[in-house]
Amino acid sequence: AQSVTQLDSHVSVSEGTPVLLRCNYSSSYSPSLFWYVQHPNKGLQLLLKYTSAATLVKGINGFEAEFKKSETSFHLTKPSAHMSDAAEYFCVVSGGGADGLTFGKGTHLIIQP
Amino acid sequence: NAGVTQTPKFRVLKTGQSMTLLCAQDMNHEYMYWYRQDPGMGLRLIHYSVGEGTTAKGEVPDGYNVSRLKKQNFLLGLESAAPSQTSVYFCASSYLAVGSSYEQYFGPGTRLTVT
Repeated sequence: AQSVTQLDSHVSVSEGTPVLLRCNYSSSYSPSLFWYVQHPNKGLQLLLKYTSAATLVKGINGFEAEFKKSETSFHLTKPSAHMSDAAEYFCVVSGGGADGLTFGKGTHLIIQP
Repeated sequence: NAGVTQTPKFRVLKTGQSMTLLCAQDMNHEYMYWYRQDPGMGLRLIHYSVGEGTTAKGEVPDGYNVSRLKKQNFLLGLESAAPSQTSVYFCASSYLAVGSSYEQYFGPGTRLTVT
């Protein structure tokens, strides 16, 4: 069994300041981990993924995430927020089975001008 | 290359009516999935398919049926719609099981309202 906990339902930052979205996971297997982004009224777009290679994963639009097995965390960061980053972000875990992904409940990122 | 497409984009149903949502992918993916998205709940898996002619239940399968008659298509049916099925429905596909590092590709979603 696997689960994901996104520790903040809403995060608000000012444009140009760092972004941190927190995610903890549990998995019986060596997991694959993903971050997806969903802009308003849009589908989901993959930001980045971890699949047991480098623990620091770089994604699109300047985002990156670090896999920390000892802390069972996969936090998403960006050095400088942009207005276009305002969206819903989902941390996702897969245990490798065919039954799809397990999604966190999402973090709504708000960017203040 | 259209990726994953969903039809229709919006639909309003009355309680008890039936409908079918169509998902199509042109990436030759083996696996296909149907999710529903509700506020504060993330996405939850309804049904999935690991290949043509196969289907399996996900986390929230009750009230839904699916069929995968062709590799590129995955249909989600509601036989008797209920207000609790008001949601946004997403289809996804992937090459192999996600644990093999192939991520899922998502369609744009279908917004369904049941009155």
